[in-house]
Amino acid sequence: DAKTTQPTSMDCAEGRAANLPCNHSTISGNEYVYWYRQIHSQGPQYIIHGLKNNETNEMASLIITEDRKSSTLILPHATLRDTAVYYCIVRLMNSGGSNYKLTFGKGTLLTVNP
Amino acid sequence: NAGVTQTPKFQVLKTGQSMTLQCAQDMNHNSMYWYRQDPGMGLRLIYYSASEGTTDKGEVPNGYNVSRLNKREFSLRLESAAPSQTSVYFCASSTRGGFNEQFFGPGTRLTVL
Repeated sequence: DAKTTQPTSMDCAEGRAANLPCNHSTISGNEYVYWYRQIHSQGPQYIIHGLKNNETNEMASLIITEDRKSSTLILPHATLRDTAVYYCIVRLMNSGGSNYKLTFGKGTLLTVNP
Repeated sequence: NAGVTQTPKFQVLKTGQSMTLQCAQDMNHNSMYWYRQDPGMGLRLIYYSASEGTTDKGEVPNGYNVSRLNKREFSLRLESAAPSQTSVYFCASSTRGGFNEQFFGPGTRLTVL
């Protein structure tokens, strides 16, 4: 799986958009970008994933650059409950083979301030 | 629909003691996983079970054993606990193929003295 690079920490004001960057310059053509988050003392929570098109769901938007070397997770209206560590993970879609592993790095600690 | 449940929530062991961490899921998922998370670190995969009846080693399997008891349950056993195994343990489950969105339990906080 491709390695990812994320800032260690970021701050965001409540109600504003939080934009979390991730660099994955060695991503291969069939690897997906996944985002998970972990609120303090809880298990990680899946947010969103994408291949090359921008994706949006009820939690967030994912913007992937045209060359796929980087992406940005956008929380459109951050709340205090969005304070968490956000993990960007790159991996192949599992086709029933042996690729089940999610490799978690250290992620970005997003602190949403009142 | 409880999702992924883990027991116990907290445990303190003495070096050399054994214990089993229990995990169950009610989402009819084929695949289940055990991770550990040390302070300030990301999660590391200990063992996983792609489907009922199979188990495989992850990144850090030494000192652990697992049992996939049935489709719902996946247990993690420490035969002789060591202080280096002090950690938070998370169980997760997912469908077998496709995007494998993994659903995590609340964790077990284990301290080995």
